[in-house]
Amino acid sequence: ETGVTQTPRHLVMGMTNKKSLKCEQHLGHNAMYWYKQSAKKPLELMFVYNFKEQTENNSVPSRFSPECPNSSHLFLHLHTLQPEDSALYLCASSQVGLAGTDTQYFGPGTRLTVL
Amino acid sequence: GQQVMQIPQYQHVQEGEDFTTYCNSSTTLSNIQWYKQRPGGHPVFLIQLVKSGEVKKQKRLTFQFGEAKKNSSLHITATQTTDVGTYFCAGTTSGTYKYIFGTGTRLKVLA
Repeated sequence: ETGVTQTPRHLVMGMTNKKSLKCEQHLGHNAMYWYKQSAKKPLELMFVYNFKEQTENNSVPSRFSPECPNSSHLFLHLHTLQPEDSALYLCASSQVGLAGTDTQYFGPGTRLTVL
Repeated sequence: GQQVMQIPQYQHVQEGEDFTTYCNSSTTLSNIQWYKQRPGGHPVFLIQLVKSGEVKKQKRLTFQFGEAKKNSSLHITATQTTDVGTYFCAGTTSGTYKYIFGTGTRLKVLA
C-alpha cells in the first residue's frame, strides 16, 4: 500500500457518458497530480495541484476537468471522451517544499476504456 | 519543450546478466528520480539523485547522475526475474513542481 487510493480501478464508458475518477491520499502531502499512461507512450503529466491550487495544466483538452476540494482529495471529471482517451490514469501525491518536490507516491490507477 | 529520452526502449537479458538503462534530458535538471513499474502495477519510487556526478547504490542497483546534470543511468548487476518491469527516470528543473518522465525501458529477464 502506498497511501494513495484510486476508484474505480476499471471503468468502461461511452463517448456521451459523464464519469468521475477519484483519488485520495493518506500521506499528509500538499501536492497531487494526474498522469495519463497510454501504451507505448511515456507517462504524461496532466494536472498538478499544490495546496489545492492548480499550478499546472499540461494543455489537456477541456473534456477532462480536475477538481481538488482539499489537499487529500483529487477528482478527474470526464465528459464526451474519445476512444483515444482510453488509458491508465494515475494519481500521485508528494510533499512540496522550498527545495522542490519530494518523492511521488502513485496510486494503483484507473484503467479507462472509452467505447 | 523539455524532453526526457531513455534507451533502450526494450531489453531482454538472461538471468544473471547485467542491465543498464540510460536517461537523457534536453535541459539541465535540478534532480532526477527513478521509478520501477511492474507489469500491471503502478510506478514505485526507487531513488532520487540531486548532485552533479552523484552515484548511489541499492544492493544490485547502481544509479548515476551525470556531471552536467542532463543524463543519468541505472545499472543492475546480475539480474533476477524479480527485476522484470519498466524503469522510468523522471527529471525536474528548478522552480517547478512537476517531473517530466522518460520514455521508459522495459526489462524482461529470461530464467
